[in-house]
Amino acid sequence: DTGVSQDPRHKITKRGQNVTFRCDPISEHNRLYWYRQTLGQGPEFLTYFQNEAQLEKSRLLSDRFSAERPKGSFSTLEIQRTEQGDSAMYLCASSSQGSNQPQHFGDGTRLSIL
Amino acid sequence: AQSVSQHNHHVILSEAASLELGCNYSYGGTVNLFWYVQYPGQHLQLLLKYFSGDPLVKGIKGFEAEFIKSKFSFNLRKPSVQWSDTAEYFCAVNMEYGNKLVFGAGTILRVKS
Repeated sequence: DTGVSQDPRHKITKRGQNVTFRCDPISEHNRLYWYRQTLGQGPEFLTYFQNEAQLEKSRLLSDRFSAERPKGSFSTLEIQRTEQGDSAMYLCASSSQGSNQPQHFGDGTRLSIL
Repeated sequence: AQSVSQHNHHVILSEAASLELGCNYSYGGTVNLFWYVQYPGQHLQLLLKYFSGDPLVKGIKGFEAEFIKSKFSFNLRKPSVQWSDTAEYFCAVNMEYGNKLVFGAGTILRVKS
């Protein structure tokens, strides 16, 4: 079990720039999730994939956010025209199929908007 | 919408003290329940989970949790904490057949040696 890998660990960018994060899940997991966590809060669900299909998106995911998982393996999360409020930790998790299967989390990508 | 409440945001205990962290959720249907822990500088790790059967579940590192359906609660306990238990603890819920986890705000535990 090599764990969930996220890249980069930290991203600092100016307001208005686009950013893209990558997540590599545990290889045998077909489900992949993105969450966002701000200071003093627990992670909040953004979206999830089963294989390459994006099956659910939160209302938190505005039009500036897009996620892909083109081959059912790694996933990318892109934020266009970043805003101050996008500063957060972006977490990726993966799991086997089934709601009782635990989600395994990566270390996250910390985004700071200047 | 589902929500999860964790009663204490900060808890400070001395080593060997007993721990109980409260967690309540709002959803009337069948749920799966989880406790995750985040040690300083590390990623979220699963402590224990409940989805059916014995409402008292045991997890790693001597932790246990009890599901009380009538109270919509899933409190985490440990009889004797250690300095190494210093971490942030998150309760999380998903609905049966659901996918996304709904997390509480977390409880930061500091254990004094």
